[in-house]
Amino acid sequence: NAGVTQTPKFRVLKTGQSMTLLCAQDMNHEYMYWYRQDPGMGLRLIHYSVGEGTTAKGEVPDGYNVSRLKKQNFLLGLESAAPSQTSVYFCASSQAGRLGYNEQFFGPGTRLTVL
Amino acid sequence: AQSVSQHNHHVILSEAASLELGCNYSYGGTVNLFWYVQYPGQHLQLLLKYFSGDPLVKGIKGFEAEFIKSKFSFNLRKPSVQWSDTAEYFCAVRSNTGKLIFGQGTTLQVKP
Repeated sequence: NAGVTQTPKFRVLKTGQSMTLLCAQDMNHEYMYWYRQDPGMGLRLIHYSVGEGTTAKGEVPDGYNVSRLKKQNFLLGLESAAPSQTSVYFCASSQAGRLGYNEQFFGPGTRLTVL
Repeated sequence: AQSVSQHNHHVILSEAASLELGCNYSYGGTVNLFWYVQYPGQHLQLLLKYFSGDPLVKGIKGFEAEFIKSKFSFNLRKPSVQWSDTAEYFCAVRSNTGKLIFGQGTTLQVKP
């Protein structure tokens, strides 16, 4: 039981390049989330999903897109990377229920640097 | 807008010292509160959570937190820290839209 996994672990991009971060969970969780972690700012929610085929914006969605084509996967895309998107990205998942009520299980993070 | 504030950004303690990390939130309604820990190089893990009932919540690894509604606080405590408690600690509140709002985090360094 791997829990929540993220690929890649590290990535360096040039401004304007695109990339996709993959999150996978094997706990059959309905809800999945993408956060970014920046020094002194804690974790901020980018996008989230309450089920396969559905996504919603979080606190800081600009510059990102997401897709949830399969229940176990949640993809985060950067179409045109900017230096302001240099951050550590965490994926999380939780059981269905009242949003935020159930414990969120986090992945190991992806450290992204945009030059 | 709801917010969470952690006043201590960086705390340094010696082993066996007592720990208290502050957390204040800005929402007057029903709140659900969480403390997460991130050990070096690892992902976030849930330490404890408060939904209702006894305001003193016990978590894993000897941690506890007290919900004080009148002070809008949910401080994390541990009577005697160990070197292995070195980590970053995040307080979070479930917002009225259901999403988690995290504080800025507190880095705890325990000296052996």
